[in-house]
Amino acid sequence: NAGVTQTPKFRILKIGQSMTLQCTQDMNHNYMYWYRQDPGMGLKLIYYSVGAGITDKGEVPNGYNVSRSTTEDFPLRLELAAPSQTSVYFCASSSWTVGNTIYFGEGSWLTVV
Amino acid sequence: AQTVTQSQPEMSVQEAETVTLSCTYDTSESDYYLFWYKQPPSRQMILVIRQEAYKQQNATENRFSVNFQKAAKSFSLKISDSQLGDAAMYFCAYYSNYQLIWGAGTKLIIKP
Repeated sequence: NAGVTQTPKFRILKIGQSMTLQCTQDMNHNYMYWYRQDPGMGLKLIYYSVGAGITDKGEVPNGYNVSRSTTEDFPLRLELAAPSQTSVYFCASSSWTVGNTIYFGEGSWLTVV
Repeated sequence: AQTVTQSQPEMSVQEAETVTLSCTYDTSESDYYLFWYKQPPSRQMILVIRQEAYKQQNATENRFSVNFQKAAKSFSLKISDSQLGDAAMYFCAYYSNYQLIWGAGTKLIIKP
């Protein structure tokens, strides 16, 4: 019953550092997503993927990169971290086989100082 | 572009009473999905209820039900017999073409 697993749960980065948020799902979903949620706001889509080898930009892609080499994994790379990237990041997955219901990971709290 | 509007930033209800959270959306598509998600202080996103646009029957899940008015593009959530554990942010979301469009959320406060 793992579902969507993302790591790390908490991280503090210095300005200019880079890091990768890991995300894996064991439900064989073809669609995967990365969202960010700033305090008091709804979620904004960063990148999404409709299958292995296919990725596309969402609403707020600047400063991030993704890859999708397998169905299970969808890592999010932050290059040259900036304070504006302080947020909670959610990885999610879905499939038409489950009525397109989106399942979320528990979130990764990132602070850039 | 699709948009989702939640006009109530905050709602409060007495424990055991009923509360309705509002959501409207704008789209030109005919096939889509609508969701209500709950986000407690832990920030975890929890699916409350979902509705397929092609289904006229309103979805229900235990104490949670929706009033889906497709022509009016309205998708309200009714919580019956409110419990302290229902206190959370509630987000309405519209799904189509791989993307989930979110409302700004409604903070639900339960008064004991």
